[in-house]
Amino acid sequence: AQSVAQPEDQVNVAEGNPLTVKCTYSVSGNPYLFWYVQYPNRGLQFLLKYITGDNLVKGSYGFEAEFNKSQTSFHLKKPSALVSDSALYFCAVRALNSGGGADGLTFGKGTHLIIQP
Amino acid sequence: EAQVTQNPRYLITVTGKKLTVTCSQNMNHEYMSWYRQDPGLGLRQIYYSMNVEVTDKGDVPEGYKVSRKEKRNFPLILESPSPNQTSLYFCASSYSAGDIETQYFGPGTRLLVL
Repeated sequence: AQSVAQPEDQVNVAEGNPLTVKCTYSVSGNPYLFWYVQYPNRGLQFLLKYITGDNLVKGSYGFEAEFNKSQTSFHLKKPSALVSDSALYFCAVRALNSGGGADGLTFGKGTHLIIQP
Repeated sequence: EAQVTQNPRYLITVTGKKLTVTCSQNMNHEYMSWYRQDPGLGLRQIYYSMNVEVTDKGDVPEGYKVSRKEKRNFPLILESPSPNQTSLYFCASSYSAGDIETQYFGPGTRLLVL
């Protein structure tokens, strides 16, 4: 079974400072990793994904994430936070199974990111 | 405009009264799914559909039914709602099951079962 852990319910960052939202995963097989963002009263929006290749993945709105296989982590980062980045962020994983197909998406519990002016 | 629509957006009902939440997409996507979002639990998949007349259970299917008679529609049916089904529900779609990471989400339906 695959699982995702987002250890922080909430992250508070001052505007202009760098931000990190943590995510660790557990899968058997190679992982596909994703970050989504949810703004108030909206559905989820895809931010970025890691499938293979370069461990540093760049996505929308200036976000990036670093895949670390030895630590089974995929932390979301941004060099300089904006107040408009305040939202709920979800990490998700799916595993490429031995049959060549892929399992469904498993989401973490979400992390509230609050950027203070 | 490419979108996933859900109706109703808000619903208050009583235990045992059957209800249906509709979901429609205009992108000719094959894959559609339903999630529920609960505080501290994130999103959990209820049911999904790979194509017309092909549906399967997700992680939390108990108490729910779905159907996929047309490609664009994927209604969620609660035959006898209970208070533990009070939640925020999202419908989503993607071109194929292999592309679900970039699935489009609807705006959500907030359900309260009394």
